Amino acid sequence: GAGVSQSPSNKVTEKGKDVELRCDPISGHTALYWYRQSLGQGLEFLIYFQGNSAPDKSGLPSDRFSAERTGGSVSTLTIQRTQQEDSAVYLCASSSDRAFDNSPLHFGNGTRLTVT
Amino acid sequence: LAKTTQPISMDSYEGQEVNITCSHNNIATNDYITWYQQFPSQGPRFIIQGYKTKVTNEVASLFIPADRKSSTLSLPRVSLSDTAVYYCLVGALGSTLTFGKGTMLLVSP
Repeated sequence: GAGVSQSPSNKVTEKGKDVELRCDPISGHTALYWYRQSLGQGLEFLIYFQGNSAPDKSGLPSDRFSAERTGGSVSTLTIQRTQQEDSAVYLCASSSDRAFDNSPLHFGNGTRLTVT
Repeated sequence: LAKTTQPISMDSYEGQEVNITCSHNNIATNDYITWYQQFPSQGPRFIIQGYKTKVTNEVASLFIPADRKSSTLSLPRVSLSDTAVYYCLVGALGSTLTFGKGTMLLVSP
């Protein structure tokens, strides 16, 4: 079956512009995570969606960052007024939440964002 | 949230066994331990997961002592293609999952 799909794979934008990054999770997965990975660094947690619950936004670095998940499936991460420090790879992951099944995360290959 | 500590880097040679240890002193009762592998320009990929004792699959083994405050990923007979960053993740479904900095494993001929 299809894995987690992210688009675009690469995005170059000018400082100050808004960008939208898309994540299509594995069908049926109710948990969805966004992470950010700067060059040579580890994964920085951004936001977590679980079913219809309110998302955990504790990792969003500023109010320029927001995310939504429509219909419990596709998610969009929006960065407003981009800054050069926003340049990174943005990774999306999904997992199932079947009872008694600690399903691992399935990652997409990320969107590489470059802010010039 | 359980914080994890791993070596920043490790070196090995082809054919050797590699053991990467992760410390997670404040692991919670319902937390699982999961290891991921990441190659450049790719998202992390699941390797193995365990709760306690030992777990083995076709690519690795995971050793977890009784107190669960650490875990060791064992890669038998590594090859050049095992050069990657390895992450130890401690947590449970329904919670925020925070990765540590990972271990860069370099396998040389």
